[in-house]
Amino acid sequence: KNEVEQSPQNLTAQEGEFITINCSYSVGISALHWLQQHPGGGIVSWFLLSSGKKKHGRLIATINIQEKHSSLHITASHPRDSAVYICAVFNFGNEKLTFGTGTRLTIIP
Amino acid sequence: GAVVSQHPSRVICKSGTSVKIECRSLDFQATTMFWYRQFPKKSLMLMATSNEGSKATYEQGVEKDKFLINHASLTLSTLTVTSAHPEDSSFYICSAIKPIMWTGTSMNTEAFFGQGTRLTVV
Repeated sequence: KNEVEQSPQNLTAQEGEFITINCSYSVGISALHWLQQHPGGGIVSWFLLSSGKKKHGRLIATINIQEKHSSLHITASHPRDSAVYICAVFNFGNEKLTFGTGTRLTIIP
Repeated sequence: GAVVSQHPSRVICKSGTSVKIECRSLDFQATTMFWYRQFPKKSLMLMATSNEGSKATYEQGVEKDKFLINHASLTLSTLTVTSAHPEDSSFYICSAIKPIMWTGTSMNTEAFFGQGTRLTVV
């Protein structure tokens, strides 16, 4: 079992739908990244969370440290949101990231 | 946010030659950088940890003589793929770690990623 699990692995939705991607982890962490990787390969970090909730435009990320769970939400989804979304955690006392398996999101016009 | 620049974004080389990939943190000092390799539709695979001023730490199964890492300054790490073979063709991406704040006795960090380099060995 991976230390960081994401669900779903693949998600296809219609433009405008509300999207939720989940991340559960089994280790103690100091912080969690939500990353976006487009087909070209570059990775953008949208959020770094250690508690609570953050918002960036149509993206919202939440984390529940006690439940070891984080969610990424996309409101009013758009085809340009199509990408692989990856959750990655910093273990306590470690600068290495442990990556989730990724969620491939496809938004259909 | 902070910027990490990786160069080149694409490179095609002949078998047997060496290729150098650069990773620069443009607006912060990174004592630690990481090099990853990614196969199509797969997750990032950590190759090595690059520490400024000391030898890189390689993950199990990664040949240190094949993938030479030099972290010569606080803003630059390089990965050289030596004597490249077609099986080295892959997507390579670096990340740089930026310390962001102190919390009690611990320091939080944030990772920033380069744009990646697609290497094709022919």
